[in-house]
Amino acid sequence: KAGVTQTPRYLIKTRGQQVTLSCSPISGHRSVSWYQQTPGQGLQFLFEYFSETQRNKGNFPGRFSGRQFSNSRSEMNVSTLELGDSALYLCASSPQGSGYTFGSGTRLTVV
Amino acid sequence: SQQGEEDPQALSIQEGENATMNCSYKTSINNLQWYRQNSGRGLVHLILIRSNEREKHSGRLRVTLDTSKKSSSLLITASRAADTASYFCATDARDTGNQFYFGTGTSLTVIP
Repeated sequence: KAGVTQTPRYLIKTRGQQVTLSCSPISGHRSVSWYQQTPGQGLQFLFEYFSETQRNKGNFPGRFSGRQFSNSRSEMNVSTLELGDSALYLCASSPQGSGYTFGSGTRLTVV
Repeated sequence: SQQGEEDPQALSIQEGENATMNCSYKTSINNLQWYRQNSGRGLVHLILIRSNEREKHSGRLRVTLDTSKKSSSLLITASRAADTASYFCATDARDTGNQFYFGTGTSLTVIP
């Protein structure tokens, strides 16, 4: 079966811009989580969506937002980009919320 | 915080040797999972151990969980160069639903 697909793989943006990242979960998986990975902070939980509802949210500013569509596909948006937002953004899906399958990530560089 | 801590931060061994890495966490959990990440790539789920389990095996992997000490260990036997990667433990606390906390990771290098 197809894995978790994240697009785009790489992205370069300038400070102040906004960005939207996309995640297509494994078919049948209803839970989608997003993580930010940086060398300094490691893997940090952003949020989790289940059946189009945000079920959990990490400690990130309001510039980070997300949504989930009826087909379980999810997007995350970062507005007013800062240099510190440069990171690998990972999406993971699960049938119910454990044993996540991760995508390969989107590497965002803010210049 | 709930975040797990892996130990050691880095480990270098010869091919064929065993590699052991440890994870400690702070609060009661439902599950603990181990993941592998090759350089700059996504995470690959290795094994999940529930809080009422003490040991689990999957191929060359052996995971133990000691909830009284709030710690887990991952043993990779007969290591191969392809095992070179970073290994993370992830825990979900009983009071935070499906929010997973990842440790800082152990970087394993297997020398051919």
